[in-house]
Amino acid sequence: GAGVSQTPSNKVTEKGKYVELRCDPISGHTALYWYRQSLGQGPEFLIYFQGTGAADDSGLPNDRFFAVRPEGSVSTLKIQRTERGDSAVYLCASSPGQGEGYTFGSGTRLTVV
Amino acid sequence: SQQGEEDPQALSIQEGENATMNCSYKTSINNLQWYRQNSGRGLVHLILIRSNEREKHSGRLRVTLDTSKKSSSLLITASRAADTASYFCATSEGGGNKLTFGTGTQLKVEL
Repeated sequence: GAGVSQTPSNKVTEKGKYVELRCDPISGHTALYWYRQSLGQGPEFLIYFQGTGAADDSGLPNDRFFAVRPEGSVSTLKIQRTERGDSAVYLCASSPGQGEGYTFGSGTRLTVV
Repeated sequence: SQQGEEDPQALSIQEGENATMNCSYKTSINNLQWYRQNSGRGLVHLILIRSNEREKHSGRLRVTLDTSKKSSSLLITASRAADTASYFCATSEGGGNKLTFGTGTQLKVEL
């Protein structure tokens, strides 16, 4: 596609529920990244895919967070047993490869009530 | 964790003036990038400067990099109201392409 697409744009869920956030990167971009941003802060790294595999998942805060990219294109970030502290904007980005700038999606605003 | 710290945290200027934002970081880097963010959603890539470069220009943007001081600056010349946004520096280090973002500078350009 023309840009990075993230769905949904907004998600409100109850504490304890499971959520899935989707990211559709730019066609042909091999690298895909997930970040989380809280109000007034810079984006915080979660996980980075090179192709289908997670090249670096050191930013995932705990085992409630998981992400997949089964065909090397679309990625899904999955959060189990959501907590109020998970509320944030979840940003996805893609890039053609190493040493290149990122193209970000518009983000998913997750609110856990 | 945040690698970079931008300075100042907030900056308010008049249209037509120049805006300078600074970024300091802690470790050796492959490259440093600047991004703009409007209204808390997607970030837009502005410019990338590699560790062996000292200065780079793109339109009204000028970026400098001093690896000995582990610092970078972003200069926006002849600012416009549309430049109002948050600006973030981000560094790439090690063998991967992961970026670590700073805390951002909120720029307000007033008419």
